[in-house]
Amino acid sequence: GAVVSQHPSRVICKSGTSVKIECRSLDFQATTMFWYRQFPKQSLMLMATSNEGSKATYEQGVEKDKFLINHASLTLSTLTVTSAHPEDSSFYICSATPTGTGRYTFGSGTRLTVV
Amino acid sequence: ILNVEQSPQSLHVQEGDSTNFTCSFPSSNFYALHWYRWETAKSPEALFVMTLNGDEKKKGRISATLNTKEGYSYLYIKGSQPEDSATYLCAFLRISNNDMRFGAGTRLTVKP
Repeated sequence: GAVVSQHPSRVICKSGTSVKIECRSLDFQATTMFWYRQFPKQSLMLMATSNEGSKATYEQGVEKDKFLINHASLTLSTLTVTSAHPEDSSFYICSATPTGTGRYTFGSGTRLTVV
Repeated sequence: ILNVEQSPQSLHVQEGDSTNFTCSFPSSNFYALHWYRWETAKSPEALFVMTLNGDEKKKGRISATLNTKEGYSYLYIKGSQPEDSATYLCAFLRISNNDMRFGAGTRLTVKP
């Protein structure tokens, strides 16, 4: 079955530093990937849609300069949290849809803690 | 803003009990409703993709129904087992839109 690999699974960083999260589709090509964020006891919230070879589409209220998305190949999308602050501490997860399946395949998520 | 609501937020049942929980979603511009099973430290696993009003889907002891006109879906688990313990997420897709809107999930704990 389709697999999306996400790394790292956990990261702790100092306030003001940047953190990069990677999502790779291992056995299919993903022209589009989705990035979600989840705060405790809340829903997964879509942050942005990552499009291979073009700019990402950000949801309202998500700062594009803070959450940099790069989707340079058909199998890799990255989310960089720049100048991280404690309020950016959250669970981040990506997903992609193998063509023709109608199903979304998720990474295993990244728990980011900014101290 | 699309609100996808799931209830209850959490549920504790004994092994062997049958249980069900609810997902409610906007009834306009409906395209699909997805159910996922999400165990801690793992990726959410797709259970069902439901598209038609009146759809009923089954996978082993788990089944789901869909009512698009009133905007709800039920997930049923028959004879719960400890390995069913997980968070069950539903997600709603609108017509002509690729993104999914998730509920906050129902956290099920099955006690042996």
